[in-house]
Amino acid sequence: KAGVTQTPRYLIKTRGQQVTLSCSPISGHRSVSWYQQTPGQGLQFLFEYFSETQRNKGNFPGRFSGRQFSNSRSEMNVSTLELGDSALYLCASNPGSPGMTYEQYFGPGTRLTVT
Amino acid sequence: GDSVTQMEGPVTLSEEAFLTINCTYTATGYPSLFWYVQYPGEGLQLLLKATKADDKGSNKGFEATYRKETTSFHLEKGSVQVSDSAVYFCALTSGYSTLTFGKGTMLLVSP
Repeated sequence: KAGVTQTPRYLIKTRGQQVTLSCSPISGHRSVSWYQQTPGQGLQFLFEYFSETQRNKGNFPGRFSGRQFSNSRSEMNVSTLELGDSALYLCASNPGSPGMTYEQYFGPGTRLTVT
Repeated sequence: GDSVTQMEGPVTLSEEAFLTINCTYTATGYPSLFWYVQYPGEGLQLLLKATKADDKGSNKGFEATYRKETTSFHLEKGSVQVSDSAVYFCALTSGYSTLTFGKGTMLLVSP
């Protein structure tokens, strides 16, 4: 079974631009979560999608948004980029059935650099 | 809210030494506990997990026991190898799958 894939792996953007990151979960997984990893703040939860609906959301400004498609693939978008948005963005998937707790399977991440 | 505290690193050991990385947590309800490992330039890999009190998770020689009375989930390995050099994250989830992570502990093993 193929693992979680994320594209692109590396991205350089300029302050004020917007960016879209993509994540393809493991086949059969319906839950996709996004995390931001920075040296200062560590790993922080952004949001989770299940069956095309946002099921949970972390404490990030509205510039961060996401969506999930019917094939469970997910995208996250960051508008009006700031220098502080430079980070490794990790996507994770799991089967996601309500009422069950699963471990997360992580992708390799997208390294975003904002200049 | 939920939180995880783990010892700061880096932890520097010689090959074949004993490893302990401390992890304590605060959570509402009855969390599931995890250790993840991150090698340079890669995403996170699940190392082991425990879902109820006194459960022992184990994998690749690593072990951790879910201690509800001390709210701890310390990671141990009897004999580390150079290839174990990585960053280790303790994490919990109190519901669904959203993970709360500790800050991470870097382990450096020298030959």
